[in-house]
Amino acid sequence: TQLLEQSPQFLSIQEGENLTVYCNSSSVFSSLQWYRQEPGEGPVLLVTVVTGGEVKKLKRLTFQFGDARKDSSLHITAAQPGDTGLYLCAGGRGLGGGATNKLIFGTGTLLAVQP
Amino acid sequence: NAGVTQTPKFRVLKTGQSMTLLCAQDMNHEYMYWYRQDPGMGLRLIHYSVGEGTTAKGEVPDGYNVSRLKKQNFLLGLESAAPSQTSVYFCASSPRRQGPSQPQHFGDGTRLSIL
Repeated sequence: TQLLEQSPQFLSIQEGENLTVYCNSSSVFSSLQWYRQEPGEGPVLLVTVVTGGEVKKLKRLTFQFGDARKDSSLHITAAQPGDTGLYLCAGGRGLGGGATNKLIFGTGTLLAVQP
Repeated sequence: NAGVTQTPKFRVLKTGQSMTLLCAQDMNHEYMYWYRQDPGMGLRLIHYSVGEGTTAKGEVPDGYNVSRLKKQNFLLGLESAAPSQTSVYFCASSPRRQGPSQPQHFGDGTRLSIL
């Protein structure tokens, strides 16, 4: 059962445009992570948000965790070809013992930024 | 600074054959995970381990077995490969700490085709 739905599934834009990727769930998560994956490589963590309503910025990328901790968004300003890749959100769940390392991954958004 | 290393990188099997995928990490992480990645479905957790000698089932464990005899290694076995197991397999590791989800560090994947 896929608990995290991402939209859009594919996105092709021109360099300089802005975009937003959404990550939605009916479940509450203790934290939300965003990863970026390039072809032939594993995902790499971009950011972790833990508080409802939290906003984090990473250069041209802005991440927001929903107030109810069920959804998140990633906004990219003035996209560049180097932003091309697969973006994955991942909700944190407990493994027990207080540790929260079990992740439920979203369906992914494949972004292509054309020069 | 190797991080997480997966071997092999590519493999083609015939239906019914068996094989073992090896994952090694040099970051002294307690937790290790095996995922499979299929188009449009993100990453799905197969099995995970919270420490040497312990393993647990994830979201899609059927047809797979794992072992964690040493802290740095996590093996994924396919006893009788089926075409439905054609996928890209990722291993990941993370430290054991309290609080929000820790980042998971991924290998570069094993692309497995079952004919």
